[in-house]
Amino acid sequence: AQSVAQPEDQVNVAEGNPLTVKCTYSVSGNPYLFWYVQYPNRGLQFLLKYITGDNLVKGSYGFEAEFNKSQTSFHLKKPSALVSDSALYFCAVRDSYRGSTLGRLYFGRGTQLTVWP
Amino acid sequence: ETGVTQTPRHLVMGMTNKKSLKCEQHLGHNAMYWYKQSAKKPLELMFVYSLEERVENNSVPSRFSPECPNSSHLFLHLHTLQPEDSALYLCASSQSTASTDTQYFGPGTRLTVL
Repeated sequence: AQSVAQPEDQVNVAEGNPLTVKCTYSVSGNPYLFWYVQYPNRGLQFLLKYITGDNLVKGSYGFEAEFNKSQTSFHLKKPSALVSDSALYFCAVRDSYRGSTLGRLYFGRGTQLTVWP
Repeated sequence: ETGVTQTPRHLVMGMTNKKSLKCEQHLGHNAMYWYKQSAKKPLELMFVYSLEERVENNSVPSRFSPECPNSSHLFLHLHTLQPEDSALYLCASSQSTASTDTQYFGPGTRLTVL
């Protein structure tokens, strides 16, 4: 069965410091991994995805994520956090396995990131 | 967010009302989705449409009725809802239902059922 875990409900960092939002996954086949961000009263905005190739994926707003197959992780990172990065972050996975449900994205519960000045 | 729009943004309805949520995508995509986002729970996939044909119904109660008249528009018709149906309803679209395709989300409709 496919699943995603975001072990931290909340992450707090100071502006200018590096940030990491953790994500681990479980799939039957090869994983396709996504990160989204949600600002208050807004929908989810796509940040980046890993399909294949280089394990380090770069995305919008200076974010990047590292795919680690042995640890089944896809942590989101940014070298220098901004106050405006404060939002709810969701990791999601889809399965390459042919028997998997069509179109189904499995989401984590979300991690609230707070960047303080 | 102009790629996928949703109306209304907020909706308050009684349990006996009938209302509809509307979603429109301006991205030329062929697949559209309805999700439910409740507090403290992961996003729940409700329905998937591909080329205007429903391809998945994720055990959603019949008081929710989707409609996809063309590849750009998606509706969610609501009737005799329950207070536990109060949530943020998100529409998304993607080029196809392939696992590698990115889903793009609208801003959502905040639904409150009294």
